[in-house]
Amino acid sequence: GENVEQHPSTLSVQEGDSAVIKCTYSDSASNYFPWYKQELGKRPQLIIDIRSNVGEKKDQRIAVTLNKTAKHFSLHITETQPEDSAVYFCAASKWGTGGFKTIFGAGTRLFVKA
Amino acid sequence: ETGVTQTPRHLVMGMTNKKSLKCEQHLGHNAMYWYKQSAKKPLELMFVYSLEERVENNSVPSRFSPECPNSSHLFLHLHTLQPEDSALYLCASSRRGDSNYGYTFGSGTRLTVV
Repeated sequence: GENVEQHPSTLSVQEGDSAVIKCTYSDSASNYFPWYKQELGKRPQLIIDIRSNVGEKKDQRIAVTLNKTAKHFSLHITETQPEDSAVYFCAASKWGTGGFKTIFGAGTRLFVKA
Repeated sequence: ETGVTQTPRHLVMGMTNKKSLKCEQHLGHNAMYWYKQSAKKPLELMFVYSLEERVENNSVPSRFSPECPNSSHLFLHLHTLQPEDSALYLCASSRRGDSNYGYTFGSGTRLTVV
C-alpha cells in the first residue's frame, strides 16, 4: 500500500547546528508535501509545504526540498534553537474523491540542546 | 486557538460506556477529518468528510461511528471501546479546492479506556 517513510526517528543536535529530516513516498501521484511540527502536548501545526511543481522552498530558517524523480523530500532547519525541539511529521498528499488523501510519516523527535 | 475546537480535551471511559467527541471549525473549510495518534505510530486516518459526505472510512472498527451534520461540525461516537483504543484523537479541517492544502488541527481529545 501507499506509505511515507521518515528518517531519523530521533535527532539530537546542538543549538546553532543544522537539522535535516528526510522522507520518501511511494505514490507517484502525490503532489503536495506538508510538514507539521507538534510540540509536547500540543496539536500538529503546519510549518511549511511544497508542491510537486517546485523543487525548493524556504521560509526564514526552514527549507524544504523535493526530488520528484526519486520521490524524496526533506526538511532543513538551520541555526537551530531550543524552541525547535518537537516532533516533526512529513506527509504526502494527493487529491482523492472528495478531498485530500494524506499519508503521514511516523515522525522525527528533534532535540535541540542548549 | 487555531479555529478548530475539540471537546472534551480529556476523556476517561469504561469499555461499556457510550460517549461522543466533538469537533467544530469556523474557518469556512469544507473537508473534515478524524485522525488517531498513538505513541510511536504515524497519524492514522480514520474518516474523511467532504461537503458533509463521508468519502473515506479507513477500515475503522464499527465501535467508532462518525457523524457530520453540517460543514462546521464533526462528531465521533464511541461505544464498547477496548483499552487499545486509548489514544489522542485529532480532528482536522481543510478547504477543498483551496491552493493551500494544509490541515488545521484541533488540540485533540486524550481518550483513556479503562
